[in-house]
Formats: sequence, C-alpha cells, structure tokens
Amino acid sequence: DAGITQSPRYKITETGRQVTLMCHQTWSHSYMFWYRQDLGHGLRLIYYSAAADITDKGEVPDGYVVSRSKTENFPLTLESATRSQTSVYFCASSESDRDFDGYTFGSGTRLTVV
Amino acid sequence: GQQVMQIPQYQHVQEGEDFTTYCNSSTTLSNIQWYKQRPGGHPVFLIQLVKSGEVKKQKRLTFQFGEAKKNSSLHITATQTTDVGTYFCRLGGATNKLIFGTGTLLAVQP
Repeated sequence: DAGITQSPRYKITETGRQVTLMCHQTWSHSYMFWYRQDLGHGLRLIYYSAAADITDKGEVPDGYVVSRSKTENFPLTLESATRSQTSVYFCASSESDRDFDGYTFGSGTRLTVV
Repeated sequence: GQQVMQIPQYQHVQEGEDFTTYCNSSTTLSNIQWYKQRPGGHPVFLIQLVKSGEVKKQKRLTFQFGEAKKNSSLHITATQTTDVGTYFCRLGGATNKLIFGTGTLLAVQP
C-alpha cells in the first residue's frame, strides 16, 4: 500500500543496546524527517534528509545516527540506548522543501529503554 | 533558537463550546501550517496559511494568520468529541520550516 510506514510499532530495549527504527515511504518524496515526541516538548526534530545520501542534524541529534542510501528508506539508529531516549518516534516525509507542502507522518514507534 | 509559543497548553471544554489556540513566533513567518494529532495517533496536516491576515475555514475550524505574520490562531466553533486531540502549528520560513509548536491539548466533555 502507498504511504509511509514505520517499524516496529513498539520496542523495548535495554540501556546500552543498539536499536534501529525503520521508516519506509512509497511516494518517492525527497524529504524525510525524524521527530521525537515527549510530554511537554512537542515534536522535536532529530535528523532530516533532503535526498538520498544527504542528511542533516536537527534540534536533538546527539545519540542518534541516520542513513539514507535509498530515497524510500530513512532508518534511525540509537547507537547506545539511554533511558532519556524513551519516547515516541515519528518519521515524516514531504514532497519538497517548499513551505507549501504539508508533512505526512508515519504511525510512530513507541520506544522504551529500560 | 526560534521561540514557538503555543497557548494554551491544555483546554477542557464542554461539548458545544468554542475553542481557540494560538501560535506565536518571535520572527516574521513566510507561512504557517496546522496539524492535528488524535490521542495515540500521529500528526495529520490540516492547512497552511501564507498571506498576511489570511483566513481559511474548514467546516467548524477557522484558521487565521496575523497581519504581521508573527502569529496564528485556530478556532473551533461548537466543539464535538471528535475534535479531541492535540493541535500543533508548524512554522514556515527558511530557518523555521522544521519547527513545531509545543501543541495545545483539547479535551471535550460530552
């Protein structure tokens, strides 16, 4: 089905482990984004990508790594998970960087670090 | 960095009452977008405003962009339980395009 999908929907991991959250979109949108959502902080940008092999840091990039070898995929890796990274993670895509394009969000991944 | 004030943080209304949330920027915006997130769901794009003083309507929702393009409001007339959720603004402009407001959580009591 067309759209933007995130996996897994739920994940529990231990402190210090590496974990990768997946994001896949079928529209061939150029722009993709990773946000985390925490109570009281709204949506905070972690990383974004303007195209394959082009990524840039957002507001809260520390402890995260991204890659974008293919236009449709934008995985987010927590290199060594910490409890402060417990959050809901949303991936989003946009057709262009023009301000007139709304973002389309995935359903999110709820990550718990114990 | 850019300050994004969204007020109120939380609003509880009786069904049928009106509701308004405001998004304020410290800098002039090229445009602003609004999103709605249902409880347990993901943000969904609602609308974008571009012109100074612009007003757009979607059924019971009215969106307004300030004359100075530094603030915006979302007004819901006669709220319904289906309006429950968090409403976010997203700032437009070269340095702001990736920034969301902290959101306003709307609770509607039947």
